Amino acid sequence: LAKTTQPISMDSYEGQEVNITCSHNNIATNDYITWYQQFPSQGPRFIIQGYKTKVTNEVASLFIPADRKSSTLSLPRVSLSDTAVYYCLVGDPTDSWGKFQFGAGTQVVVTP
Amino acid sequence: NAGVTQTPKFRVLKTGQSMTLLCAQDMNHEYMYWYRQDPGMGLRLIHYSVGEGTTAKGEVPDGYNVSRLKKQNFLLGLESAAPSQTSVYFCASSYSRTSGGAYTGELFFGEGSRLTVL
Repeated sequence: LAKTTQPISMDSYEGQEVNITCSHNNIATNDYITWYQQFPSQGPRFIIQGYKTKVTNEVASLFIPADRKSSTLSLPRVSLSDTAVYYCLVGDPTDSWGKFQFGAGTQVVVTP
Repeated sequence: NAGVTQTPKFRVLKTGQSMTLLCAQDMNHEYMYWYRQDPGMGLRLIHYSVGEGTTAKGEVPDGYNVSRLKKQNFLLGLESAAPSQTSVYFCASSYSRTSGGAYTGELFFGEGSRLTVL
């Protein structure tokens, strides 16, 4: 089964850049890496997705090295509203039916 | 466009009672999933479905049953509720793999159903 490993928590101040690295050694050739954000009492929501190299959208950037065994989510200039749990998700390479399993996630706390 | 809707949003049960959680999606997604999330924990997959009439077990299937009689609905049942099933339950749906085999992996989640078993 594809497993992901992330830091349990990260603290930051407003205006700083936050980088969260996820390890996924068993990622399949055709699988994408997807990051989700979850606020308390809400379901996770999609923030960014990539396959290799770098992807950027209006919210974040995703850096993926050539071997794809890890990925780094970068949140530029965080604000208090970025306090949330962030999950790294990859497809299960042993299950062609697309079963997805979440890891424990990274709790990001932004303070003034 | 409602997306993914879960019913009910809150429920209190006594040990041994049964209930069904309903998940409905209007995006014509093939895949649907049920997760549970305990306080301070990540999401754990209970059951999932890759199409109408097909279901499969996830990480923590014991004590739950599911059915996918219609493509848009995915039901999660608890036949005999236990306090250990106190949790927040999330339903999600997604597209199936592309014709090229690559899976984009974007899940669309409902708002959650908070279940308490006394």
